[in-house]
Amino acid sequence: NAGVTQTPKFQVLKTGQSMTLQCAQDMNHEYMSWYRQDPGMGLRLIHYSVGAGITDQGEVPNGYNVSRSTTEDFPLRLLSAAPSQTSVYFCASSYSHPSGGASEQFFGPGTRLTVL
Amino acid sequence: SQQGEEDPQALSIQEGENATMNCSYKTSINNLQWYRQNSGRGLVHLILIRSNEREKHSGRLRVTLDTSKKSSSLLITASRAADTASYFCATCSNDYKLSFGAGTTVTVRA
Repeated sequence: NAGVTQTPKFQVLKTGQSMTLQCAQDMNHEYMSWYRQDPGMGLRLIHYSVGAGITDQGEVPNGYNVSRSTTEDFPLRLLSAAPSQTSVYFCASSYSHPSGGASEQFFGPGTRLTVL
Repeated sequence: SQQGEEDPQALSIQEGENATMNCSYKTSINNLQWYRQNSGRGLVHLILIRSNEREKHSGRLRVTLDTSKKSSSLLITASRAADTASYFCATCSNDYKLSFGAGTTVTVRA
């Protein structure tokens, strides 16, 4: 199994450009999430999905869109990039724990995005 | 806002010593999870402890949870250079979202 894969690994955008960060998992996990990590701030949840066709906002959703048309894929779209979106983006997937709540999350390697 | 807060922010220890870091949180949880992140890489899951559990072990790792104090601790025994990393706690509520703290950076000196 490849686990959670993310593309691209690095990206430089100009202010106002749009792009899509790709995320795929081959573990048949129900839950997928996008986080951003900024220095000294840990991970902040952008959007998440509890299954195909179901998405919801996290802590910092503004400026980002997601969709979940299949179990495997969960792309993150930047609508109009801003310098404040310079960050490292991580995608993660997990399954529901038998006793409720989320189980361990499996993380992708990350995408380093710079917006000039 | 982030629910979990780790303490200390940074920790430097000698190889062979134990390292302890703490996590405090604000609201009720379903479970609490600890992750490790090596520089520039994705996070790796270490241990999940449920709200009705008080202690869990995995190899050289020991995690405790005190729901009355809303706090958890991660102990790494007999540390090695390979344990140099950032460690994050993450709390999970019943809506399946994880909330991460800012992390503790651990440096193990040879």
